[in-house]
Amino acid sequence: EPEVTQTPSHQVTQMGQEVILRCVPISNHLYFYWYRQILGQKVEFLVSFYNNEISEKSEIFDDQFSVERPDGSNFTLKIRSTKLEDSAMYFCASSVGLKAGYTFGSGTRLTVV
Amino acid sequence: GENVEQHPSTLSVQEGDSAVIKCTYSDSASNYFPWYKQELGKRPQLIIDIRSNVGEKKDQRIAVTLNKTAKHFSLHITETQPEDSAVYFCAGSPNDYKLSFGAGTTVTVRA
Repeated sequence: EPEVTQTPSHQVTQMGQEVILRCVPISNHLYFYWYRQILGQKVEFLVSFYNNEISEKSEIFDDQFSVERPDGSNFTLKIRSTKLEDSAMYFCASSVGLKAGYTFGSGTRLTVV
Repeated sequence: GENVEQHPSTLSVQEGDSAVIKCTYSDSASNYFPWYKQELGKRPQLIIDIRSNVGEKKDQRIAVTLNKTAKHFSLHITETQPEDSAVYFCAGSPNDYKLSFGAGTTVTVRA
């Protein structure tokens, strides 16, 4: 079964540093998403991406965040200057179409110290 | 924006009994409602979804019902088994580009 792949699985970074989280969506999927989940809390929407541009973003997704699809396979989330409150599990997801079921990646656990 | 409320937050059932989780949503424009199961430390996995033109959908031991008038939808798991123990999230889609998740229900199936 096709999978969404995320790297790294764990990342520890110092406050103020930049991090890039990487995702390889399923190859025939057209819609890409980033969500985050703070430990023990609900999954929160960050951003959706289609046709090489952001379709929707949440209030969490401020100027410190950016996304990119640098080539035909990768989808990245960059946090420019990490804060302690950015510590969370970050899930990438992709879907073949709108309102089609998402496939989530296994997540990157980001810890900001 | 869309606000999805989910109840209960925890649910303990005896193996073989049924489990029911209920969600309400606020945005009447929402028309896609998936349910995800998340085992500890793992990714959320889609288990069933329903669209607003359907009132009920069933897949083996799992069923989902939707009441658009009341803006609520429910997940029903029958004949629960220990492997059903997980956190279950409901979600609503207020537009085409994002899901708003409920807070989750931790289901424990007692053997």
